[in-house]
Amino acid sequence: DVKVTQSSRYLVKRTGEKVFLECVQDMDHENMFWYRQDPGLGLRLIYFSYDVKMKEKGDIPEGYSVSREKKERFSLILESASTNQTSMYLCASSRRWGPSSYEQYFGPGTRLTVT
Amino acid sequence: GESVGLHLPTLSVQEGDNSIINCAYSNSASDYFIWYKQESGKGPQFIIDIRSNMDKRQGQRVTVLLNKTVKHLSLQIAATQPGDSAVYFCAEIRGRYGNNRLAFGKGNQVVVIP
Repeated sequence: DVKVTQSSRYLVKRTGEKVFLECVQDMDHENMFWYRQDPGLGLRLIYFSYDVKMKEKGDIPEGYSVSREKKERFSLILESASTNQTSMYLCASSRRWGPSSYEQYFGPGTRLTVT
Repeated sequence: GESVGLHLPTLSVQEGDNSIINCAYSNSASDYFIWYKQESGKGPQFIIDIRSNMDKRQGQRVTVLLNKTVKHLSLQIAATQPGDSAVYFCAEIRGRYGNNRLAFGKGNQVVVIP
C-alpha cells in the first residue's frame, strides 16, 4: 500500500525559529512535492523535486527552501518562521514516468502554527 | 483538515441523492484532469481522472464530465453517502511530461445530510 508520511501532525513554533518539515515516501517515486493549504485558497505548490538533489520552485517559494538528499525523503525548511506561514503543509509524491505519473499521493499533513 | 472547508462553496445533499460538483479550469492546453477528495484531518485522495480526448469517464459511483469548449469539469456522485462528506478538488496538469505538476482549484465542500 502506498504511503507518504510526515514527521509531525501538529507543530507550534515561534517567530524567527528555523523549522524543518520532513516527508518520507516508500513507493520509490522520483517526484516529490510540498504544498501549503489555506482556507479558501486551495493547495498551492511551494517547491517540487524530480530527483535526488534536484529542486524547482513552485508558485509560492518565498520564505521556504527544500532539501532532497535521498530519494525517499523531501524536507521543507522555513529559515525564519513568520506568522503568515501558519498553515497546513502537505507533502506528495508521484512517479516521474509512465501511465500513472500524473497521480500524486499525499501525506496526512502538518498543521504549523507560528506565534 | 477541519478548517479546509471554510469559505468554500458548499453543496448540501440529502443522503441517497446525486451530487454534482463543478470546476472551471483555465488552461485550454491542459490534457489531463484529476478529481481529489479530502476528508477532515486527512490529505487529498485520488478519485478519478480524465484525459482531454474523452468527454466522460465513469468509476464506482462517480462520473467525470469534461466540456473543453467552455473549459468546465464536473464530478457526479451517485447515491451520495455520509462518507462522501468532504472537500473535493479538481486539478489540471501543468508542465511537460516527466516534469509535470498539478494546479488545484480552490475546492468545493460537500455536506451529506443523513
